[in-house]
Amino acid sequence: QSALTQPASVSGSPGQSITISCTGTSSDIGGYNYVSWYQQHPGKAPKLMIYDVTNRPSGVSSRFSGSKSDYTASLTISGLQAEDEADYYCSSYISRGSLIFGGGTKLTVL
Amino acid sequence: EVQVVESGGGLVQPGGSLRLSCAAYGFTFSTYWMYWVRQAPGKGLVWVSRINNDGDSTTYADSVKGRFTISRDNAKNTLYLQMNSLRAEDTAIYYCARAVGPTNSWLYYSMDVWGQGTTVTVSS
Repeated sequence: QSALTQPASVSGSPGQSITISCTGTSSDIGGYNYVSWYQQHPGKAPKLMIYDVTNRPSGVSSRFSGSKSDYTASLTISGLQAEDEADYYCSSYISRGSLIFGGGTKLTVL
Repeated sequence: EVQVVESGGGLVQPGGSLRLSCAAYGFTFSTYWMYWVRQAPGKGLVWVSRINNDGDSTTYADSVKGRFTISRDNAKNTLYLQMNSLRAEDTAIYYCARAVGPTNSWLYYSMDVWGQGTTVTVSS
């Protein structure tokens, strides 16, 4: 199965809002409410930002929010800050305990 | 402190084997599903394998099926990944990660505790 489709890069200025999309199929995003978003800074381990489409783990800023419509999930970051510059990955449940990741999106804060 | 720590990576020749370990600390290991995720140099995250809390249910990515085996020893709070018939394309940082919620929570399909990874290089 091919990776979920994310834009290679997005950018925004401090204080702005940006949205990163993640497109799949009826076999993954469209079939389940098990979409997650991870942030990864260079040389660091991934950090969970959103799970089960819309839920934020304890300690994650409320500036991060998730949503889903049909086969596309989205991560929105409001009030963009310099420390948000990182790579972001979406993932989805497929079946029988399997997962699939997106190709990743590099966020640049201008 | 809740954490997982990987070990066992290294340089191995094509066709060789390696066993990765992941030690868990600060949580009831036996109640959580666990995952292995890898990241090739300069590339994105790729899911490799998953095991349920009891160790009697496992799944694998097609790219490693038949070559890799995930297992766990709940008495030792340790997760393993046995990697056989290694190929150059298996070269990556391998991360161990914990599911968000324990068994019966249905919070199985996201990972909230990640290790720093262990590097596997397959090269002659």
